[in-house]
Amino acid sequence: AQSVTQLGSHVSVSEGALVLLRCNYSSSVPPYLFWYVQYPNQGLQLLLKYTTGATLVKGINGFEAEFKKSETSFHLTKPSAHMSDAAEYFCAVSYTGGFKTIFGAGTRLFVKA
Amino acid sequence: NAGVTQTPKFQVLKTGQSMTLQCAQDMNHNSMYWYRQDPGMGLRLIYYSASEGTTDKGEVPNGYNVSRLNKREFSLRLESAAPSQTSVYFCASRGLAGGRTDTQYFGPGTRLTVL
Repeated sequence: AQSVTQLGSHVSVSEGALVLLRCNYSSSVPPYLFWYVQYPNQGLQLLLKYTTGATLVKGINGFEAEFKKSETSFHLTKPSAHMSDAAEYFCAVSYTGGFKTIFGAGTRLFVKA
Repeated sequence: NAGVTQTPKFQVLKTGQSMTLQCAQDMNHNSMYWYRQDPGMGLRLIYYSASEGTTDKGEVPNGYNVSRLNKREFSLRLESAAPSQTSVYFCASRGLAGGRTDTQYFGPGTRLTVL
């Protein structure tokens, strides 16, 4: 069965520091990979996605992620954290022709001043 | 475009009461979904509708029913609410672009408390 693992339910960084949120997936077929962000009391919104092509994907708000097939990973990074980045981040995976998306448990990002 | 809308935003029920959560999308998407979100558990799929006229169970369907009323609307019904159904419920929709899996768009959520 497909699954998504996000390492660390909480991550705390200082403003201006590197943000690294980890995501690993298990899959027997090529996946489509997503990162969603959820701000307090809101629904999820797409941050970035990988479907095919270039393995380094750039998203909104300066975030990017790299698909590494050999490591079954899709880690999310941002060079310099901003206070407004404080939110919960969800990694997700789906498949060609599939209707379901599998979500990780989420990582809450805290940004310290 | 309003995107995905959900009503109500908040609801408090007593054990055994019933209610229907409404969801509508104006993006002409084929697929619609209901999830519940609980702390530390991410999003769990309750039911989904791949296209108008079809519905299928997700990961946690017990205690829920759904209706795909038309292409725009997908409702979730709790027939006899239980405290274990206290959660935040999200509706989402998704279109298929060129046959490939595409992005899900989420509503703002319904916060349900069952006493």
